[in-house]
Formats: sequence, structure tokens, C-alpha cells
Amino acid sequence: GAGVSQTPSNKVTEKGKYVELRCDPISGHTALYWYRQSLGQGPEFLIYFQGTGAADDSGLPNDRFFAVRPEGSVSTLKIQRTERGDSAVYLCASSPMTGGPFESDTQYFGPGTRLTVL
Amino acid sequence: KQEVTQIPAALSVPEGENLVLNCSFTDSAIYNLQWFRQDPGKGLTSLLLIQSSQREQTSGRLNASLDKSSGRSTLYIAASQPGDSATYLCSGGSNYKLTFGKGTLLTVNP
Repeated sequence: GAGVSQTPSNKVTEKGKYVELRCDPISGHTALYWYRQSLGQGPEFLIYFQGTGAADDSGLPNDRFFAVRPEGSVSTLKIQRTERGDSAVYLCASSPMTGGPFESDTQYFGPGTRLTVL
Repeated sequence: KQEVTQIPAALSVPEGENLVLNCSFTDSAIYNLQWFRQDPGKGLTSLLLIQSSQREQTSGRLNASLDKSSGRSTLYIAASQPGDSATYLCSGGSNYKLTFGKGTLLTVNP
């Protein structure tokens, strides 16, 4: 079946502009995650959705970052007033959330959106 | 705060060699330990997921172990092939949040 898809694959913008990054999770997956990966680093957690609500947004770096998932499927990560330090690969993942109380599901990652802020 | 460290940062081996990648984590209260593979310019592919109640998982030529008491996991790759060349990432997870190491860049030379 289809995996997680992300659009665009590459986005180049100018400092100060607004950008939106889209994630289409695997059909039926209730959990959705956003991570950010800087060059030479592992991915860093940004936000986690369970259904339509953001269950944990503690990883968002500041209030310029915002994410939505209005219908519990597609999610959009929005970045206002972009800065050069926002340049990174933004990864989206989804999981079915079938794990028990002390277990967790495999997270399935999309190919990422490479954001470059000039 | 969970911190994950991977050693070595890079590894180059001849084809056919068996190898071990190491991962250590600071918070033993993890829900799972997951190993991923990342090819250049690509997303992450899950290789093995070890739940906190488990000690190891195997898939083909890959075997991953988890020792929560020592805060360590290892990924064993048997009979390495050039197609195994990639960055291998280890992550320690809560029930939803993954904390990643910086990865080990593996090169298998034909």
C-alpha cells in the first residue's frame, strides 16, 4: 500500500516568508508525528497528533511554528517569518497506535521536505 | 531528558564482514528501542523495533538487542553487502516520542 507522502520534496524560500509543508499519512493511521533533521544530526521531535488534536507540541522551537490536522488525516506544518536557521529536512511519520500501555508502534516515515531558507 | 549516543560515527568494512553498531541511552524508562536505516536524501526505514519487555529482535541478517539496565542496544549485521551502505539511526522512545542518535554511517566496500 501507499506509504507516507510529503509535499513538496524541496522548498526554497527567502528569509521572512511563510511556508507550508504537507504530510499525507498512511490510510487508517491515527497518530501523526513531525520531526526536523538538521545536517549531520538525527531527527528531532516537533509535534505529535492523536486524531485531530496535538497531544504534544513540546518540540516546536517557537511560536513561528504551528501544525494542524483538521480532519485527522492530512497534516500541515506552517512556519511564519522563516529564518535561515529553519533550513533542515522536515520529516513526517505515522503509526496505527495499536500498542498496549507500555508498548508502542513502529513509526513509518515519509521521504521528507528539504527546506532551504536563503 | 533522554539522550542517545551512537558509536562509531562512521564505519567502513569489506563485503562479507560481520559488524556491530552500538547505541546507548541515558533514560532506561524507554517504551521501545528502534533501529532505522536512512539512505542519502531519503526518509527513514524502520529495521527493527524492540519493545521494552523484549530483549532482542531478528530480521534476516539483522539482529538487535536491548539491555535496559545498562542503557545499551546493539545492531548486528551478518555477512554485510554493499547494499547495506547507509546511515543507521537508533532511537529510544516513549510511547510516541522518539529520541534519535546522530547515526552511524556504514560503508560496505565490494
